[in-house]
Amino acid sequence: QSVLTQPPSVSGAPGHRVTISCTGTNSNIGAGFDVHWYQQLPRTVPKLLIFGSTNRPSGVPDRFSGSKSGTSASLAITGLQAEDEADYYCQSYDAGLSAWVFGGGTTLTVL
Amino acid sequence: EVQLVESGGGLVQPGGSLRLSCEASGFTFSKYWMSWVRQAPGKGLEWVANINRDGSEKEYVDSGKGRFTISRDNAESSLYLQMNSLRADDTAVYYCSRISYKSSSSPYLADWGQGTLVTVSS
Repeated sequence: QSVLTQPPSVSGAPGHRVTISCTGTNSNIGAGFDVHWYQQLPRTVPKLLIFGSTNRPSGVPDRFSGSKSGTSASLAITGLQAEDEADYYCQSYDAGLSAWVFGGGTTLTVL
Repeated sequence: EVQLVESGGGLVQPGGSLRLSCEASGFTFSKYWMSWVRQAPGKGLEWVANINRDGSEKEYVDSGKGRFTISRDNAESSLYLQMNSLRADDTAVYYCSRISYKSSSSPYLADWGQGTLVTVSS
């Protein structure tokens, strides 16, 4: 069981908006540690998607956005495209465990 | 362009050892913390270990403490993971990653290698 909780799957129609939640505790997200998001396209290596909770690396479309509040964070994807079908993982730091922690991952299906 | 190339994976029997290597290029290796992250077949990502710039600080996932040793050679721009007493649940693709702290209150994995598969089985 992952320290950060994500829904196993989400889906949406092309052009629509979806959000993926990442729920933590007062030892990680709630303690003020930023959340980062990674995208893993089918049969590929994970790629940094959002860092510092809200920042996009160069080259990541502005259809992807991140937010954080309290003990949770969210990844929003607008204008869904077929190429967005992938697994998405959130990651932070847990002070109680003194460890990096990942969410269990969310599979996005574009209908 | 940042490049991270892992090697050293393979099939090993339970209780055996393996040493993974990661050759880095495209950035000043000695200026960055580095990390190993793994992904079991069909499963999610799991952080394994971190090492600071000069190798004096190391952090491990609980399941790796006492069995795994992360190290680096800045002169060779290389990162290593020595894995001993391997178990079936260590079977995974192991990724080498460059850590960044830029614009964040917590570190993240800015770049990833292609990974090397470790299979622990008799």
